[in-house]
Amino acid sequence: QVQLHQWGAGLLKPSETLSLTCAVYSESFSDHFWSWIRQSPGKGLEWLGEINHRGSTNYNPSLESRVSISLDTSTYHLSLKLSSVTAADTAVYYCASVGIAALDFDSWGQGTLVTVSS
Amino acid sequence: DIQMTQSPSSLSASVGDRVTITCRASQTISDYLNWFQQKPGKAPNLLIYSTSKLQTGVPSRFIGSGSGTDFTLTINSLHPEDFATYYCQQTYNAPRTFGQGTKLEIK
Repeated sequence: QVQLHQWGAGLLKPSETLSLTCAVYSESFSDHFWSWIRQSPGKGLEWLGEINHRGSTNYNPSLESRVSISLDTSTYHLSLKLSSVTAADTAVYYCASVGIAALDFDSWGQGTLVTVSS
Repeated sequence: DIQMTQSPSSLSASVGDRVTITCRASQTISDYLNWFQQKPGKAPNLLIYSTSKLQTGVPSRFIGSGSGTDFTLTINSLHPEDFATYYCQQTYNAPRTFGQGTKLEIK
């Protein structure tokens, strides 16, 4: 059973860098990818990217120049950084665990609302 | 990117009804299809993975089917707690895109 707890700054100004952290509690850490997804207010879900326990990443091409996902395997902390934010990046951001075998997004963090406003 | 198109975008039904939501992929995705339920202010909750496999703890009234490009989520005998928004997601390749959602409302 995976549990995820996330945190980070909730209010940013345009051009700043979004930084979120997700603590992973898992007995099967290497059996999962670790992913970030966001949801703009009143909108659908957007996959941002993923990382495996070896540090290999995949990113959404629409954000690839601005997004970075990292994983600290000593602390089991997953991180998301998104640079040069604009109002369009205002969203609830979720971390999620993804089973390697079935690619099931089986556990999600509680979500963090990030608002970008001058 | 693989585009996922859900229909309908909204649906009104009554407790006890059977409803079906469809999801179409812009290219074949084999059976790499997840379904999620989301309630306001909450994270999405996985219902079905690999097209038809029921996530642990999810009631058996939720049934997923399909293959290739066309998939369905059927909910038999709606319960009050089933009124929510449903999303499909393909995990065939990255970016792992979602459908736009189907909002299921009480009639």
